[in-house]
Amino acid sequence: KQEVTQIPAALSVPEGENLVLNCSFTDSAIYNLQWFRQDPGKGLTSLLLIQSSQREQTSGRLNASLDKSSGRSTLYIAASQPGDSATYLCAVENRDDKIIFGKGTRLHILP
Amino acid sequence: GAGVSQTPSNKVTEKGKYVELRCDPISGHTALYWYRQSLGQGPEFLIYFQGTGAADDSGLPNDRFFAVRPEGSVSTLKIQRTERGDSAVYLCASQGAGEAFFGQGTRLTVV
Repeated sequence: KQEVTQIPAALSVPEGENLVLNCSFTDSAIYNLQWFRQDPGKGLTSLLLIQSSQREQTSGRLNASLDKSSGRSTLYIAASQPGDSATYLCAVENRDDKIIFGKGTRLHILP
Repeated sequence: GAGVSQTPSNKVTEKGKYVELRCDPISGHTALYWYRQSLGQGPEFLIYFQGTGAADDSGLPNDRFFAVRPEGSVSTLKIQRTERGDSAVYLCASQGAGEAFFGQGTRLTVV
């Protein structure tokens, strides 16, 4: 059974710092991994999708890496801003097409 | 519309009543997912459709929960004899080219 773990559960950093969010999964037989952002009371916004054959994806100040063999992904946020404050969720799509989520990392950027 | 639409955005119902939650996916997306999210938790998988058929309904908590997608587009999640423990945000996603896109969710409150 696929299990997705996100560490840390919560993180507070001063504005301007670079930061890394971690995601691990137990079954490496995945199609892809996706990072989402969720603001309080809102739905999920897709940030980055990494296919199983890829090692990383970049979008603006965000960079996500995938090491499928070790069951790990990281989301790197450069030059953090107060507007980056949100919950970040990692999700993997299994070979049976089921998408499994972690519990998220609540990020707070201090002005 | 351009995105996934869920209605209603909020639903308050009395214990024991029947409710229906609607999801309009992105046009052309054949895969559709339903999730349930409780406060401070990641989305919990309920059911996955590929076209009109439920490819995986292993996440439905019990037989009070049922979902349909009769024409392979709009889906309805149905909950019978609601209980206070059913209170949560119900999220719908459709998937295209491996990337999942979520609606804003329906916040269900059972009183």
